[in-house]
Amino acid sequence: GQQVMQIPQYQHVQEGEDFTTYCNSSTTLSNIQWYKQRPGGHPVFLIQLVKSGEVKKQKRLTFQFGEAKKNSSLHITATQTTDVGTYFCAPWTHAGNNRKLIWGLGTSLAVNP
Amino acid sequence: SAVISQKPSRDICQRGTSLTIQCQVDSQVTMMFWYRQQPGQSLTLIATANQGSEATYESGFVIDKFPISRPNLTFSTLTVSNMSPEDSSIYLCSVGPGRGSDEAFFGQGTRLTVV
Repeated sequence: GQQVMQIPQYQHVQEGEDFTTYCNSSTTLSNIQWYKQRPGGHPVFLIQLVKSGEVKKQKRLTFQFGEAKKNSSLHITATQTTDVGTYFCAPWTHAGNNRKLIWGLGTSLAVNP
Repeated sequence: SAVISQKPSRDICQRGTSLTIQCQVDSQVTMMFWYRQQPGQSLTLIATANQGSEATYESGFVIDKFPISRPNLTFSTLTVSNMSPEDSSIYLCSVGPGRGSDEAFFGQGTRLTVV
């Protein structure tokens, strides 16, 4: 079945450093979503990208969708301790009459104050 | 948006018993999803539950082990049957996509420990 690969699996940064996580698919995606899960919490929606080459920003977070719609990235500028958590990419895919999210393995971010 | 109330938030159960997890949504939704997540790992989809039809199970999950009910558009239950320690995990219900948005919303999760 369809899979998305995320790298790196873990990242430790000093507060103030930048952070990037990458999401790659072997097939063309119609969309990609990003979620953040804080330790002990549930996933929370961050953004959805649907257009080739799309770039969206949310304060210090920049999301990109590749031109071929096979990869995506999330970049955080000047990390803060509040950025700690696991970041997942997940495209919606069709499964028969249903749709479902295909979850990457996630990138766990630790920020040292 | 959708707010999901998931119960119980945690439980410790004896092996061989069953636990039913409930999710109540504050609005009508077509699709509900049940996931399992081991600490530090990604989400694994157990099944998709649509109102008025049988749940669609993912590979490796069967109805006898994880029966699901979806009696209406705002409620669903997942039962973990004949539990073993390997069933210890976090179980999450989720809804989406909805009208005008592809965002998925999640319950707070049920942390299950089987002893």
